[in-house]
Amino acid sequence: GQQLNQSPQSMFIQEGEDVSMNCTSSSIFNTWLWYKQDPGEGPVLLIALYKAGELTSNGRLTAQFGITRKDSFLNISASIPSDVGIYFCAGPGNQFYFGTGTSLTVIP
Amino acid sequence: EPEVTQTPSHQVTQMGQEVILRCVPISNHLYFYWYRQILGQKVEFLVSFYNNEISEKSEIFDDQFSVERPDGSNFTLKIRSTKLEDSAMYFCASSEDIYYEQYFGPGTRLTVT
Repeated sequence: GQQLNQSPQSMFIQEGEDVSMNCTSSSIFNTWLWYKQDPGEGPVLLIALYKAGELTSNGRLTAQFGITRKDSFLNISASIPSDVGIYFCAGPGNQFYFGTGTSLTVIP
Repeated sequence: EPEVTQTPSHQVTQMGQEVILRCVPISNHLYFYWYRQILGQKVEFLVSFYNNEISEKSEIFDDQFSVERPDGSNFTLKIRSTKLEDSAMYFCASSEDIYYEQYFGPGTRLTVT
């Protein structure tokens, strides 16, 4: 199946710092989605991207749909403790594929 | 705000037993999904369902699994003869269209002993 690789695998940052993570695929996607998952809970949709090159914001979060349609980036500005969690990229193909995840720890 | 709900939140069962996990998707959504997440791993697609039939399934979704929409609101996942390795969180999701964003339920933690 299609593989979505995320980097970095984990991040430890100070509160207030900006965060950047990315997701790459060997295949093109027509939709990129970013989810956040807290321990023991279901993924929560953060941002949806539908067009190559699109840049979309949701509060302190900004995501971009790569022009090649094989990658996407998520940035979080001025991180706060509640940003802690695992961030997954995802995209629909024949199935629905999730990335390997980026674990974010914010140190107050 | 509409949300996907799942019951039970935690199910403990003995190996070899059948379990049914239940989901109520968002009411105007047409596509329904089940996913599995083994502890510490990524979310894995199991199956998608549209118009009362399976539209896609992964290699994980073998003959021990089945899905059903028994009425206008519920969507169920049945595991016929559970194995130890079926222990995981199972998430239901729904979407308006196949390439639209999916909304996830809170999950059912299945523990097979």
